[in-house]
Amino acid sequence: ETGVTQSPTHLIKTRGQQVTLRCSSQSGHNTVSWYQQALGQGPQFIFQYYREEENGRGNFPPRFSGLQFPNYSSELNVNALELDDSALYLCASSDGGRGYYEQYFGPGTRLTVT
Amino acid sequence: QKEVEQNSGPLSVPEGAIASLNCTYSDRGSQSFFWYRQYSGKSPELIMSIYSNGDKEDGRFTAQLNKASQYVSLLIRDSQPSDSATYLCAVPNTGNQFYFGTGTSLTVIP
Repeated sequence: ETGVTQSPTHLIKTRGQQVTLRCSSQSGHNTVSWYQQALGQGPQFIFQYYREEENGRGNFPPRFSGLQFPNYSSELNVNALELDDSALYLCASSDGGRGYYEQYFGPGTRLTVT
Repeated sequence: QKEVEQNSGPLSVPEGAIASLNCTYSDRGSQSFFWYRQYSGKSPELIMSIYSNGDKEDGRFTAQLNKASQYVSLLIRDSQPSDSATYLCAVPNTGNQFYFGTGTSLTVIP
């Protein structure tokens, strides 16, 4: 069974730029959720995709957007990067479109905005 | 009021003792509850899930849920130095938004 993978591992961007982060879900999982984790904080829910549709969204502005593909992999796009976007971005996959299901995390992408 | 609240700690226990971690949540309609362990520099790892009132045991870990009090806890028996990590409580709400607490930092002292 293949676990959740994310790419890239680390990324450095300049304020105002755009970034795309990628996630491959665990084998057999059809749901992907994205989180932002600042240092010393718990993960903050950005949104969830279930079968290619957004299925829940946290309190993040529209410049955070996403996609899910037919193979259930997913992308997180962030436009107009701000310094406060510097964080660990986590992807988690689960089997099911509701929050009732256990989520398994990938290793994360560390984004630094300068 | 935050959706999920945890004591940030740090919590220190001697090796072999019981570590008790607590979490409260605000959405009375929440149906599922999760505990994750996160080592420094790593991503969260699922260690327990609980859906019904009462206790659920898995090895040295016991999760306890009281929906009436909107309270969920994690007990770690026979604590080991390898248990030293941050423990995160996660609760999805009825709006399908998944909330984590800020985490409790646990140190097990040999």
